[in-house]
Amino acid sequence: EAGVAQSPRYKIIEKRQSVAFWCNPISGHATLYWYQQILGQGPKLLIQFQNNGVVDDSQLPKDRFSAERLKGVDSTLKIQPAKLEDSAVYLCASSSVRGSKNIQYFGAGTRLSVL
Amino acid sequence: KQEVTQIPAALSVPEGENLVLNCSFTDSAIYNLQWFRQDPGKGLTSLLLIQSSQREQTSGRLNASLDKSSGRSTLYIAASQPGDSATYLCAVSLTSGTYKYIFGTGTRLKVLA
Repeated sequence: EAGVAQSPRYKIIEKRQSVAFWCNPISGHATLYWYQQILGQGPKLLIQFQNNGVVDDSQLPKDRFSAERLKGVDSTLKIQPAKLEDSAVYLCASSSVRGSKNIQYFGAGTRLSVL
Repeated sequence: KQEVTQIPAALSVPEGENLVLNCSFTDSAIYNLQWFRQDPGKGLTSLLLIQSSQREQTSGRLNASLDKSSGRSTLYIAASQPGDSATYLCAVSLTSGTYKYIFGTGTRLKVLA
């Protein structure tokens, strides 16, 4: 099966500019996650969707970050305006609960540099 | 608040050694625990998932154990190879409702040929 697709792979912007990331999950996966991974740290969950509804966005900086998942498939994550501390890798993951398991499959990520 | 810690932060071993990576978590009320591998510039690959009712899982040269009462998990890698060099992350899922995962900071492993 095809994996989780993300684009772009790399993005360099200046602070106060806006940027958007795109994610296409594995076909049939109802749950989609966006994580932020700062260099040297583990991924931190920003937002989790179940189909096209938000399950958890408690760690999403809502004054500058927004995300949507239209029709319960593709998702976009937007940052406006960007700050220096937003420099990180943004990972998208999807999962399908089989039995009592929940294995997450990750995309390659988008590396964002804010100058 | 659940916190996940991984020790050591970095590890360098000669090829062929058996090694153990540690993961500890502060809240024992977890749903499951996953070990992931992350290669430089790449996403995460799931290695092993241990459900809360299980004590260990094995896949090839990898064995992961879980002790919920003490808040610990270990990942055992037998006969390490240079291709095992990567960052290893553990993550705990808190509830069966949201399946939200909390990640540790990872152990960066280098296996020397």
